[in-house]
Amino acid sequence: KNQVEQSPQSLIILEGKNCTLQCNYTVSPFSNLRWYKQDTGRGPVSLTIMTFSENTKSNGRYTATLDADTKQSSLHITASQLSDSASYICVVSLGGSYIPTFGRGTSLIVHP
Amino acid sequence: NAGVTQTPKFQVLKTGQSMTLQCAQDMNHNSMYWYRQDPGMGLRLIYYSASEGTTDKGEVPNGYNVSRLNKREFSLRLESAAPSQTSVYFCASRTTGDEAFFGQGTRLTVV
Repeated sequence: KNQVEQSPQSLIILEGKNCTLQCNYTVSPFSNLRWYKQDTGRGPVSLTIMTFSENTKSNGRYTATLDADTKQSSLHITASQLSDSASYICVVSLGGSYIPTFGRGTSLIVHP
Repeated sequence: NAGVTQTPKFQVLKTGQSMTLQCAQDMNHNSMYWYRQDPGMGLRLIYYSASEGTTDKGEVPNGYNVSRLNKREFSLRLESAAPSQTSVYFCASRTTGDEAFFGQGTRLTVV
């Protein structure tokens, strides 16, 4: 069964600190992996996409990594800001499928 | 630059009432989706439409129906609302393998 597991379920950090969110997947055949950010009361918005051949990709203070061999991805947030408080969702797309597989998300709270 | 537009944003229904959630996208995407999001459950797929003229069930279709009216519009209907359908509903559109764009959500409460 295609699954996407995220950890931790929730995380609280102080403003300015770094953090790393994890995503493990069993989706096959793999097409790509996206990280989405969902602010409270809003729909998810894509942060970054990783394809099979990519190991690392950055988007400002967000850096995503992908290990296709172990089927793991991480999202690293550097120098966190209060606006980073949100849910971060890992989504894996299967080759040839219209239906991406969603993780349940990690809820991040950044305290001043 | 509207993207995906959902209406209404909030709705309160009594058990047994019916309603239709509307969704429209202006990005010329072929595929459209309806999800529900409940605390601790993540986004769960209700129905999707791979292209104009087709619809298919997702993970949690019971109690819902959909209509792909044209390429732009994809509606979700609750024929007889139940308290278990209290949730936040999101419409999304995407091209195959590409980024999904979500609407702002509809917060539905069934009492």
